[in-house]
Amino acid sequence: EPEVTQTPSHQVTQMGQEVILRCVPISNHLYFYWYRQILGQKVEFLVSFYNNEISEKSEIFDDQFSVERPDGSNFTLKIRSTKLEDSAMYFCASSEMGGSDTGELFFGEGSRLTVL
Amino acid sequence: AQSVTQPDIHITVSEGASLELRCNYSYGATPYLFWYVQSPGQGLQLLLKYFSGDTLVQGIKGFEAEFKRSQSSFNLRKPSVHWSDAAEYFCAVVGGFKTIFGAGTRLFVKA
Repeated sequence: EPEVTQTPSHQVTQMGQEVILRCVPISNHLYFYWYRQILGQKVEFLVSFYNNEISEKSEIFDDQFSVERPDGSNFTLKIRSTKLEDSAMYFCASSEMGGSDTGELFFGEGSRLTVL
Repeated sequence: AQSVTQPDIHITVSEGASLELRCNYSYGATPYLFWYVQSPGQGLQLLLKYFSGDTLVQGIKGFEAEFKRSQSSFNLRKPSVHWSDAAEYFCAVVGGFKTIFGAGTRLFVKA
């Protein structure tokens, strides 16, 4: 069964360092997403991406965040200068459809980011 | 703005007992609603979804949910809980290009 894969599964970094989280969405999906979940809290939307551009982003997704689809398979989330409060589990997801037709999101297992 | 409320932070039920997890949503149009389950250290797995039609939807693992427009609710039910159902459950609604999640309800199952 096709699945979304994420790397790394866990990354520890120093405050102020840049981090790139990688995701390989399901191959025939067109819409990609990043969510984050701070330990013990709700799953929060960060950004959605379609046709090589951001379609929607939350207030969390400020200038220190960026997303990219550098090739036909990878979808990356970059945090330029990490802060302690960026420590969270980051989930990548993809879907066949988007907007008001968004169906099921398929989630990866997550990348745990720990900022020291 | 769209929002999802799960009033119960955690619920404990005995194995074999019935379960109902509450979810209320706020959305201007006909909502697309979902229930996801998250086991510890895992990603989120879709249990079931409602787009239109029959207001009682069946999902995986014996779960069902009923959409009630008049109450803006989409409660999740299971007639007999198994110990393996212990997890966190998230209700979600699609709004625009994003899916909005509730805060989650953690289910504990006691023997």
